Amino acid sequence: AQSVAQPEDQVNVAEGNPLTVKCTYSVSGNPYLFWYVQYPNRGLQFLLKYITGDNLVKGSYGFEAEFNKSQTSFHLKKPSALVSDSALYFCAVRVSYNQGGKLIFGQGTELSVKP
Amino acid sequence: DGGITQSPKYLFRKEGQNVTLSCEQNLNHDAMYWYRQDPGQGLRLIYYSQIVNDFQKGDIAEGYSVSREKKESFPLTVTSAQKNPTAFYLCASTGRDTSYNEQFFGPGTRLTVL
Repeated sequence: AQSVAQPEDQVNVAEGNPLTVKCTYSVSGNPYLFWYVQYPNRGLQFLLKYITGDNLVKGSYGFEAEFNKSQTSFHLKKPSALVSDSALYFCAVRVSYNQGGKLIFGQGTELSVKP
Repeated sequence: DGGITQSPKYLFRKEGQNVTLSCEQNLNHDAMYWYRQDPGQGLRLIYYSQIVNDFQKGDIAEGYSVSREKKESFPLTVTSAQKNPTAFYLCASTGRDTSYNEQFFGPGTRLTVL
């Protein structure tokens, strides 16, 4: 079965420090991977995606993610965290096309950045 | 502005009532989706539609129904058969190549059963 795991419910970081939000996946075939961010009572905003090519993907708001095929991981990173980065982050994987582009989401990681 | 709108933002339902959540997009997207979000469980797919007049069940379709009469609109009805409907509901859409394109999300509707 296809699945996504975010092993940490919450990540706490001091402002200015680097942050990492972890994601591992299990799919048959080549994975298409996505990161989204959600602020309270809002919809999800797209951050970045990995489809193919360079394993380091750069996205919105200074975020990047590294695709590691051998470890089946797609961790989200940022060199210097901001208080405004505090939000709920979701990793998602896409299954094959004939399922209508269905996304499978991890359970989410709450990021808290303290001044 | 292009985007996805959902209405209402908050919705209260009495036991035994059906309610309909609206989702409209002006992005000219072919595919549309409905997700349910519960705390600590991520998003779960309810229904999706790849073209007008066609839709498929997702992982948790029981107690829900949809229609896709227009490309721009994908309303979700929460029926009285849904045992635990209190949740945050999110609508999304994506372009023709659903494999590569990211999904765009609406602002959500929070449904509470009284």
